[in-house]
Amino acid sequence: GENVEQHPSTLSVQEGDSAVIKCTYSDSASNYFPWYKQELGKGPQLIIDIRSNVGEKKDQRIAVTLNKTAKHFSLHITETQPEDSAVYFCAASKGSGNTGKLIFGQGTTLQVKP
Amino acid sequence: KAGVTQTPRYLIKTRGQQVTLSCSPISGHRSVSWYQQTPGQGLQFLFEYFSETQRNKGNFPGRFSGRQFSNSRSEMNVSTLELGDSALYLCASSIGALAMNEQYFGPGTRLTVT
Repeated sequence: GENVEQHPSTLSVQEGDSAVIKCTYSDSASNYFPWYKQELGKGPQLIIDIRSNVGEKKDQRIAVTLNKTAKHFSLHITETQPEDSAVYFCAASKGSGNTGKLIFGQGTTLQVKP
Repeated sequence: KAGVTQTPRYLIKTRGQQVTLSCSPISGHRSVSWYQQTPGQGLQFLFEYFSETQRNKGNFPGRFSGRQFSNSRSEMNVSTLELGDSALYLCASSIGALAMNEQYFGPGTRLTVT
């Protein structure tokens, strides 16, 4: 069935270091991969996404890479800041059949120490 | 432009009661999805609506239902509440019917069943 595995479940880094979160998906038909950041008491916030026709996308300090052959994608945050501390979720969608149903990973709690 | 709004933000109900949650999408967005978030199961897809039609439904019992109105606002209903229904219920909106559209989440409704 549809499944997204996310690792690690917790990640602690020093301010200024890089953080990498990895996800693996099971459904080879998946072709849309968003990443969300969720702060305490708030809903998930879309921070970056990638579609299957590209291998990498970057937005300032955040980048996402996609390897369709291996069915995995990763979030890279460079020069981390304390305000990056939050729970990060990856997700995958088939992107077909007129449905946007997202399958989420279990989340990664990122702590950036000042 | 205002984001996705959800009402109420917090709700306490007793087992056996029913509850209705409301979601107003971003102006111009016609697709609304609902997700349940719990510490144990993470983020799980409930259902998705576009132009008042349910396009997809997750693996939840028939006690969970929803609908969408002509102005794209959506409601979800849970009947005969159980303790396990305690969760954060999130609504997300996207601009159109096609998959791979960005989905933006509201702050959620925190439902506690006692």
